[in-house]
Amino acid sequence: QSALTQPASVSGSPGQSITISCTGTSSDVGGYNYVSWYQQHPGKAPKLMIYDVNKRPSGVSNRFSGSKSGNTASLTISGLQAEDEACYYCTSYTSTSTFRFGGGTKLTVL
Amino acid sequence: QVQLQESGPGLVKPSQTLSLTCTVSNGSITSGHYYWSWIRQPPGEGLEWIGYISYSGGTYYNPSLKSRVLISVDMSKNQFSLKLSSVTAADTAVYYCARVEILTGHKPVYYFDYWGQGTLITVSS
Repeated sequence: QSALTQPASVSGSPGQSITISCTGTSSDVGGYNYVSWYQQHPGKAPKLMIYDVNKRPSGVSNRFSGSKSGNTASLTISGLQAEDEACYYCTSYTSTSTFRFGGGTKLTVL
Repeated sequence: QVQLQESGPGLVKPSQTLSLTCTVSNGSITSGHYYWSWIRQPPGEGLEWIGYISYSGGTYYNPSLKSRVLISVDMSKNQFSLKLSSVTAADTAVYYCARVEILTGHKPVYYFDYWGQGTLITVSS
């Protein structure tokens, strides 16, 4: 089961916006609105940032937003802050009742 | 707030079976709104989903690991467990347990909302 496709790295300056893409297939990302995004700082457990493509859990900043078009989901972070520097992973529920994770994207805040 | 805690030996010999337990606190493992999952992360690499179990014992596994994985649940102890057989150095990773929310009210959802802190398992002789 191969990973969903994410860019290995993205970067942006404080205050800017960045977008991370997550590409799958019609059997996962494109077929269901069960895409979620996780933030992971070094040495820490992942933290849920977005679920159901575009919903934010309580306590997550509204600077984080999600969307989907076809087989590609996206995470956008606006008003970049130094604390946003982390690795971000997408995941999708699939047609075979399994989960696929993306390979992860390292966000650097310049 | 729900808490999950992994426990198990930090070192496993090649060809042996890795065994881990996840203890769930401040929440019941018998709720029909959740699955219980294992996820791992090799050093410096990304996350890999291993599998999940429902409180009734139904399981789904990553096809790439399916022949070696067994996830079970112990409702009396509010725990679920992972066994991974015939381990090699490639199985060295931080292993996380996580809760999967599958229902919000009557609406299906599928995401990992609570995670354990993770435990490093090294496969080495």
